[in-house]
Amino acid sequence: DAGVTQSPTHLIKTRGQQVTLRCSPKSGHDTVSWYQQALGQGPQFIFQYYEEEERQRGNFPDRFSGHQFPNYSSELNVNALLLGDSALYLCASSLTKMNTEAFFGQGTRLTVV
Amino acid sequence: RKEVEQDPGPFNVPEGATVAFNCTYSNSASQSFFWYRQDCRKEPKLLMSVYSSGNEDGRFTAQLNRASQYISLLIRDSKLSDSATYLCVGDPYGGATNKLIFGTGTLLAVQP
Repeated sequence: DAGVTQSPTHLIKTRGQQVTLRCSPKSGHDTVSWYQQALGQGPQFIFQYYEEEERQRGNFPDRFSGHQFPNYSSELNVNALLLGDSALYLCASSLTKMNTEAFFGQGTRLTVV
Repeated sequence: RKEVEQDPGPFNVPEGATVAFNCTYSNSASQSFFWYRQDCRKEPKLLMSVYSSGNEDGRFTAQLNRASQYISLLIRDSKLSDSATYLCVGDPYGGATNKLIFGTGTLLAVQP
C-alpha cells in the first residue's frame, strides 16, 4: 500500500515565477492538507481540501492556491514566488469520516533564488 | 504568542538517560494533542497521541494537563535511534479536520 507521495522531491525556481506541487494521498484517504516548513521551524498549515473544495485555510496569502481532483489527489500552486517561500512543502492525507490520523508525504523542497 | 510553544533545544543526552520535553499551548479550546517525530530531512511521523489520563507506549510516556495548558513527553532509557526532532502538536478542532498546529520542535541528540 503506497503511502502519501509528493512530486517533485526538489525544485529550484526564480523569484516571480510560479510553481505547482503535487500530492497523491494514501489509498482510501479523501482529505489532503498542505503545510509549509521553513528551516528550523515546525510545519505551518496552509489549507485543506475535502470533496474538491478548500475546507480550512491558514494564514497564507492568496498567492497560495490549491485544487483537489476527483481521485483525491491535490495540487498546491504558488504564484509570484518570493525568496521567503523557500521551504519544505508537506502534504498530509487523512480520512475525514473515520477521524484518522494524518499521514505525511516526504515533502517537496522548494528553493527560490 | 505562538499557539504551541516548546523549547527548541538541542537536548544532548547520553544513551540510557531519561529526558523530558515540555510544551505549552495558548488555545484553551484545543481538543486533541500529539507528539510527532521528525528525522533530519524527513517527514513528520506520529509518535503518540496525548490524553489527560496520560498514556504510555514502551519507553515513551505522554501527559496532558488541561488546567495548566501543558503537554509533556518523557523518554526513558534513551537510544541512539531516538535522536530526532520532537514536535508538539495541537488540533483545535478535535481531530476531525486534522488542521494541525505544530510547535517549533525540540531537537534531541543521544550520544554514545
